[in-house]
Amino acid sequence: GAVVSQHPSWVICKSGTSVKIECRSLDFQATTMFWYRQFPKQSLMLMATSNEGSKATYEQGVEKDKFLINHASLTLSTLTVTSAHPEDSSFYICSATDNSIYEQYFGPGTRLTVT
Amino acid sequence: AQKVTQAQTEISVVEKEDVTLDCVYETRDTTYYLFWYKQPPSGELVFLIRRNSFDEQNEISGRYSWNFQKSTSSFNFTITASQVVDSAVYFCALSDPVYGNNRLAFGKGNQVVVIP
Repeated sequence: GAVVSQHPSWVICKSGTSVKIECRSLDFQATTMFWYRQFPKQSLMLMATSNEGSKATYEQGVEKDKFLINHASLTLSTLTVTSAHPEDSSFYICSATDNSIYEQYFGPGTRLTVT
Repeated sequence: AQKVTQAQTEISVVEKEDVTLDCVYETRDTTYYLFWYKQPPSGELVFLIRRNSFDEQNEISGRYSWNFQKSTSSFNFTITASQVVDSAVYFCALSDPVYGNNRLAFGKGNQVVVIP
């Protein structure tokens, strides 16, 4: 149980285009989902927290107009990187929790390369 | 504010040696959770352990063991008789319910390289 999927697992896009990453909880209802970004050889940095049906809460320094997060249902959250640039190339990881226990279930990650 | 410190960035060991990863945390709260995750080269985070602040018992799971010392705010992780498959980055993380929604603060990670 407690499986989180991400799609796509990797994506290459051209500079200036937008790319959407999906995060799904497959066997539980995720009241809260988190989006992390991880640059090579660095730790996970929390980008934003999203609660189902509410606007996402962004961490300081994360541009909310560039990283659009939608959590429209209890099993799906999406992260859209708008007008992507090479510096947005990173590993994006989502996690989900149903708030019943203090644990997050992580997706397998999406590797974004912007050329 | 939460803070998790993993001082050693990269650790190389010869296969079958033991390796201990240090994790020191800071929090003002009495109720919190500590985690260890493994991130192999594939990138997917693998959950290893969760420990709440009221449970100071050490834990052993196969070749893995954890030592939780509240007095020194440390939650160290030992791999006994390391194997090449243990090569990965290991992250210590802290969840403080005060922040709500189970937000996690991660340490910088320990890159473990097991040399055959």
